[in-house]
Amino acid sequence: AQRVTQPEKLLSVFKGAPVELKCNYSYSGSPELFWYVQYSRQRLQLLLRHISRESIKGFTADLNKGETSFHLKKPFAQEEDSAMYYCAQNSGGGADGLTFGKGTHLIIQP
Amino acid sequence: SQTIHQWPATLVQPVGSPLSLECTVEGTSNPNLYWYRQAAGRGLQLLFYSVGIGQISSEVPQNLSASRPQDRQFILSSKKLLLSDSGFYLCAWSQDTSYEQYFGPGTRLTVT
Repeated sequence: AQRVTQPEKLLSVFKGAPVELKCNYSYSGSPELFWYVQYSRQRLQLLLRHISRESIKGFTADLNKGETSFHLKKPFAQEEDSAMYYCAQNSGGGADGLTFGKGTHLIIQP
Repeated sequence: SQTIHQWPATLVQPVGSPLSLECTVEGTSNPNLYWYRQAAGRGLQLLFYSVGIGQISSEVPQNLSASRPQDRQFILSSKKLLLSDSGFYLCAWSQDTSYEQYFGPGTRLTVT
C-alpha cells in the first residue's frame, strides 16, 4: 500500500527564516504528488502539485525520485504561512483517492 | 465555477443512532467523489470513492457506508454510530481527467 510520511508533527520557525516541510512517499513508479494546506477555520486546499512546477505563495517543492521525497520549501517564512500542511500522493490508475501524510503543523513566530 | 457543499457543519449524535452526511457539487458533471475522515494525529483517511451514480468503492472496512443517488450527490451513512466514528469528515471531488481534488468545508461529528 502507498504510504506518505511527514516526520514532523509540529514545526516552529521565526518569521523570515527558511522553512522546509519534509515528505517521503513509498511508490516506486511515477506518482502524482501534492501539497495541501489548511489554514485556521478554512477548508483544505491545494497548495501545489509537482507536475505544474509552480511556486505558490513563495513555496516550491521538488520531486526527488532517488530519495522518494517531495519536500516543501520557502526561503523566508511569513506569519500568514502558519497552517497545517499535508503531503499527498495518487499512485494508482483511475479515480482512486489520495493517500495523505499525517500532516505538519507549521507555526511562524513573529 | 465549481463549488462543493457539505452539511451539516457540526453534528452531535449518541452512540447507536443513525447518521447521514450529505455532499453536493455544483458547476460540473460526472465528477469523481470522495469521502475522507480526518482524525486528530492521524491525517486524512480515504473512506469511499465513486466514479458514477450507484458506483461506490470502499477503502476500509468499517461501520459506515456511502451512496451516490445522483450525479453530484454523495451521502455518508451509518445505521448505528460508534464512539470511534467521531471525527472530521471531508468530501472531495475531482474531474475524471485529473488527480487534483477539491475539498468541501467538512462536518465535525461527535458521537457521545
